[in-house]
Amino acid sequence: RKEVEQDPGPFNVPEGATVAFNCTYSNSASQSFFWYRQDCRKEPKLLMSVYSSGNEDGRFTAQLNRASQYISLLIRDSKLSDSATYLCVVTSGTYKYIFGTGTRLKVLA
Amino acid sequence: SQTIHQWPATLVQPVGSPLSLECTVEGTSNPNLYWYRQAAGRGLQLLFYSVGIGQISSEVPQNLSASRPQDRQFILSSKKLLLSDSGFYLCAWARGVTEAFFGQGTRLTVV
Repeated sequence: RKEVEQDPGPFNVPEGATVAFNCTYSNSASQSFFWYRQDCRKEPKLLMSVYSSGNEDGRFTAQLNRASQYISLLIRDSKLSDSATYLCVVTSGTYKYIFGTGTRLKVLA
Repeated sequence: SQTIHQWPATLVQPVGSPLSLECTVEGTSNPNLYWYRQAAGRGLQLLFYSVGIGQISSEVPQNLSASRPQDRQFILSSKKLLLSDSGFYLCAWARGVTEAFFGQGTRLTVV
């Protein structure tokens, strides 16, 4: 079993739609969780950290479920500019960041 | 503010040639440093990480090596490149288990 698993998609959604991604992780001792965004042929950039209490940043909401070992990302009112690959990241041990393979999102006009 | 520099942006190398990719971080001290590789259409694979000068942890046995000669410098090397070494190489830094920040990457094509 992979340490971090994501549905690769693509998720094709119309502008204005709400879309949700899930990510599961296998190491119950993982401490930190993040969502990154990666545009085509670019480096990943931090979208948001994921806290146990859940957190929201504008149209983006992240949730963590430690009991079921998954994290989620909800995007409301999708924009064309949201089209990208969304990477789930989990820390393993003290220093390692383990990335999921990413979920591709295409927002259609 | 902290910045991370990685170069070159693009590299085409023949099979069997050596490789040296350099990454430097500015604006912070004693960062944790990372090398990742992303093959076309694939996820990021952790290759090496370092928590201090001269301290290198290797995640995947392969044709590559890493060194950290200075606190904010991380180098990825190979003595003889293979076709399978082609990919997008990304350097990153972090403090503890807070978020990691990436350089702009080097796109390596081995021909």
